[in-house]
This record gives sequence, C-alpha cells and structure tokens, in this order.
Amino acid sequence: DSGVTQTPKHLITATGQRVTLRCSPRSGDLSVYWYQQSLDQGLQFLIQYYNGEERAKGNILERFSAQQFPDLHSELNLSSLELGDSALYFCASSVIQGGYNEQFFGPGTRLTVL
Amino acid sequence: DQQVKQNSPSLSVQEGRISILNCDYTNSMFDYFLWYKKYPAEGPTFLISISSIKDKNEDGRFTVFLNKSAKHLSLHIVPSQPGDSAVYFCAAIGTNFGNEKLTFGTGTRLTIIP
Repeated sequence: DSGVTQTPKHLITATGQRVTLRCSPRSGDLSVYWYQQSLDQGLQFLIQYYNGEERAKGNILERFSAQQFPDLHSELNLSSLELGDSALYFCASSVIQGGYNEQFFGPGTRLTVL
Repeated sequence: DQQVKQNSPSLSVQEGRISILNCDYTNSMFDYFLWYKKYPAEGPTFLISISSIKDKNEDGRFTVFLNKSAKHLSLHIVPSQPGDSAVYFCAAIGTNFGNEKLTFGTGTRLTIIP
C-alpha cells in the first residue's frame, strides 16, 4: 500500500458525459501528479500540482482540468468524454526537497467510455 | 515524440536465470533514471534508480546500468524469480526542469517461467 488513495476504482460512462476522479496523497506529500495510461502505452504525464498551485502541465487535453484543494487532495475532471479517453488514470504524490523525490502511485481509476 | 523507449514489449526468462530489460532515451537533459514495476490492478511501484553521474547502481537482485554516451540503460535481475513477473517501466526525469514529471517508456512485460 503506497498510501495514495484513488476513487472510484472503476468508472463506466457514456460519450459526452463528465466525470471526476479523486486522489488523496500520502500524508505529508504536497505534490500531486496525474498520469494517463492508455492500452499498451506507457504512462503519460498530464499535470502536477504543488501545495494547491499548478506546477507543470503535460499533454492534457483542454476538456480535462484538475485542481488541488487546501486539504491537498486533488480532483481530475474529464468532460465531453470520447471513446479514446478510456484509460487508466493514476495519481502519484511526493515531497519536493530538491533533486529527485520518489513518486508514490495510487492504484488507479479505470475509466471506460461507451 | 517518444523520449523514453522500451523496444521489447515482452520478455520470457527461465526461473533462476538473468533477466535483462533495456531502455533508450533521447533527451540528454535527463539526469535521473528509474525503473518501476507494475502488477495488474495496482499502481506502479518504485524499484531502483540511478543518477546520471553514476554508471551502475545495485540493490539486492536488481542492478541498473547506465551508458550515457549511448543514452541507454538496462535493468538486470539475478536470479529471476516467479514473483518478478510484472510489467516494468523505465522512466526519466530532469531535476533541473523546474518540475518533477516522469517521462515513461511503454513498458516491458516480463514473464518468469518456473
């Protein structure tokens, strides 16, 4: 158990709908990351938040948005869903203390768009 | 543009033998490299890392080798055990990029044959 929790575990929805994925980081970690893993692909970085502020953005679609709340949990909002958005969405958290800091991953949310 | 590549989608190795997983990268600004292991229905878990100032790092049965001139790294597992069967992701990070995003390869599925 990494200490990072993600809900829900599975989500099945229809095209055009909107969903929210939730992530709670490890206790003490201020940075949260979102990654997307499509079928047979590596994990693609979407966005990073640090202590409530956006720190880095990757290949995140305009239909997607995220935020980090004062209690440090984060939500990833996916709207106008398309079939191609079906994927595993992982959240990770870390401290930031200079140099490399290990990222701890949650178990993921499997999104299926029908 | 795939900056981190794992060209072997799968690898089968006899139990007790050496497993060698390979990874290539293109961005010379990466200065930290990591291997993550992923079981089905779980998030990736950190396995071993290496800084670009080193050419080898060893942790028990796991050794990572880095060849900077060739922009190549490899993970050696000796001896291989059935519990090592998983998907292995190579990842890279630039600690001077101003963010902590991981760039992942597409993964290699390792199967250890008893």
